[in-house]
Amino acid sequence: EAGVAQSPRYKIIEKRQSVAFWCNPISGHATLYWYQQILGQGPKLLIQFQNNGVVDDSQLPKDRFSAERLKGVDSTLKIQPAKLEDSAVYLCASSLGSGVVTYEQYFGPGTRLTVT
Amino acid sequence: AQSVSQHNHHVILSEAASLELGCNYSYGGTVNLFWYVQYPGQHLQLLLKYFSGDPLVKGIKGFEAEFIKSKFSFNLRKPSVQWSDTAEYFCAFNTNAGKSTFGDGTTLTVKP
Repeated sequence: EAGVAQSPRYKIIEKRQSVAFWCNPISGHATLYWYQQILGQGPKLLIQFQNNGVVDDSQLPKDRFSAERLKGVDSTLKIQPAKLEDSAVYLCASSLGSGVVTYEQYFGPGTRLTVT
Repeated sequence: AQSVSQHNHHVILSEAASLELGCNYSYGGTVNLFWYVQYPGQHLQLLLKYFSGDPLVKGIKGFEAEFIKSKFSFNLRKPSVQWSDTAEYFCAFNTNAGKSTFGDGTTLTVKP
């Protein structure tokens, strides 16, 4: 089966600019996750969707980050305006479901963002 | 707050040595536990998982992990490592609400 697709793979922007990342999960996976992974740290969950509804966005900096999954399939994560501390790898993952019945997550290759 | 602590940031071993990577989690309720691995240049992928039942779980490539509820631990073990095990290893857990928390990872370098 095809894996989780992400684009772009790399992005360099200046601070205060905006950027968007795209993710296409594995077909049939209801749950989609966006993580931020800063160098030397583990992935930090930013937002979790179940179909097109938000399950958890408690760690999403909502003043500058937004995400949507309008049709319950692919998703976009946006940063506007970007700050230097947003430099990180942004990972998308998907799973069959989440909650009481837990499934493993399948990760995409990530987008490496550098903010200068 | 939910958290995962991985005690070793970088472990260096020679081939055939035994491996144990420590993982402790902080959460007051029921958890599902995972070890993920990221080989150089590859995506994060599942190594093994514990949901319920036998606390000793076996994963791919000869890895195993033991869940000790009283210690909030889920340590990863392998009796004899190979050069190809060089990778970064992440411990993680989900709650029944589905929220995921990852540790900061342990980089394993195996010398041939």
